[in-house]
Amino acid sequence: DGGITQSPKYLFRKEGQNVTLSCEQNLNHDAMYWYRQDPGQGLRLIYYSQIVNDFQKGDIAEGYSVSREKKESFPLTVTSAQKNPTAFYLCASRRQTSGLYEQYFGPGTRLTVT
Amino acid sequence: EDKVVQSPLSLVVHEGDTVTLNCSYEVTNFRSLLWYKQEKKAPTFLFMLTSSGIEKKSGRLSSILDKKELSSILNITATQTGDSAIYLCAVEAGNFGNEKLTFGTGTRLTIIP
Repeated sequence: DGGITQSPKYLFRKEGQNVTLSCEQNLNHDAMYWYRQDPGQGLRLIYYSQIVNDFQKGDIAEGYSVSREKKESFPLTVTSAQKNPTAFYLCASRRQTSGLYEQYFGPGTRLTVT
Repeated sequence: EDKVVQSPLSLVVHEGDTVTLNCSYEVTNFRSLLWYKQEKKAPTFLFMLTSSGIEKKSGRLSSILDKKELSSILNITATQTGDSAIYLCAVEAGNFGNEKLTFGTGTRLTIIP
């Protein structure tokens, strides 16, 4: 059964703690993305990776870090430097083909920091 | 910086009505415009519009891309309560191999039975 999995579904953390959100895909997609969704803000791009061992900052990368050691995995760490970490985080992947855009989203992780 | 703006922010209509959602954009190196429907969790893909495919239709949903006006509309006819969702517009832009999506804030559509 192919797709993107994110875990956990809900995550609660105390302020000042780093937390890592998992994203795994078995679609053999080259590119992976992390978005953050806040009410009234739409989806905003945090980081993206086009190939293994390479990634680029998106529009709101401050306070986040990522790694892409394997094609299947693109974990996101929310560090204590992120001022407003409470949000819904969505991971997505897509196949790098010209002319056809296929982007798939994971189910998301809702992070609450208190 | 690429920008995507959707309107209205929210819309409440009665079942059976027809609705039109709007999306306008300012981006560098436009490649495509996508519409998504988001109910509770992850967005699900509806349409992709490009320079070679400016009109799409699927059942009661249809969408048109106006490249001159840098905008798109999503029409839903004979609305049903199951159409209640947030509708997201996203624009893919950038050079090949370095494309990224920019999302609008979404339109929250509520259908009253």
